[in-house]
Amino acid sequence: DGGITQSPKYLFRKEGQNVTLSCEQNLNHDAMYWYRQDPGQGLRLIYYSQIVNDFQKGDIAEGYSVSREKKESFPLTVTSAQKNPTAFYLCASSMGLADTQYFGPGTRLTVL
Amino acid sequence: GNSVTQMEGPVTLSEEAFLTINCTYTATGYPSLFWYVQYPGEGLQLLLKATKADDKGSNKGFEATYRKETTSFHLEKGSVQVSDSAVYFCALSDKSSYKLIFGSGTRLLVRP
Repeated sequence: DGGITQSPKYLFRKEGQNVTLSCEQNLNHDAMYWYRQDPGQGLRLIYYSQIVNDFQKGDIAEGYSVSREKKESFPLTVTSAQKNPTAFYLCASSMGLADTQYFGPGTRLTVL
Repeated sequence: GNSVTQMEGPVTLSEEAFLTINCTYTATGYPSLFWYVQYPGEGLQLLLKATKADDKGSNKGFEATYRKETTSFHLEKGSVQVSDSAVYFCALSDKSSYKLIFGSGTRLLVRP
């Protein structure tokens, strides 16, 4: 089955620790995205990547980092510099930047 | 800047009732418009989309028409089911920056 997978589904982190969220797609999509969702709110764009080895900051990139070494993978690192990291994180992909985006199942990160 | 405004929820209906969730947008140019649905604890699923004025998107009994004159993309369904209970997000695709701009979401609760 083609789709987007995210792991883990739930993640707990102590304050001061970095943590990496995984996102993998087998849709042969060039573009990938990371969004953050807070309770009762819409999604906000963290980072996006149009192509391998290229990525751009979104609206709320501070405290986050990404890499795009393979077309299929776009991991997100939540660093200790992110002041309020507890949220639901969603990865998405699309054929190209202007095309319809499809979402993964999400990772819920809780900072203890 | 571009923005999306949705009616606040929750919207509570009885099974088989008619559903309307209002969505209006502000945008320059001609964005694409989307409705996504999010079931509890899951990622977003694309429900329907429209790419130009007067287009009607439809899927699983849901419909929405791209109305440029009223800058609206209201979601409708003739007869809701308990299984339609979820949060619905209206979004537009900003072609100048290639990102999705989301409304804050509308929670729908359908009672038997």
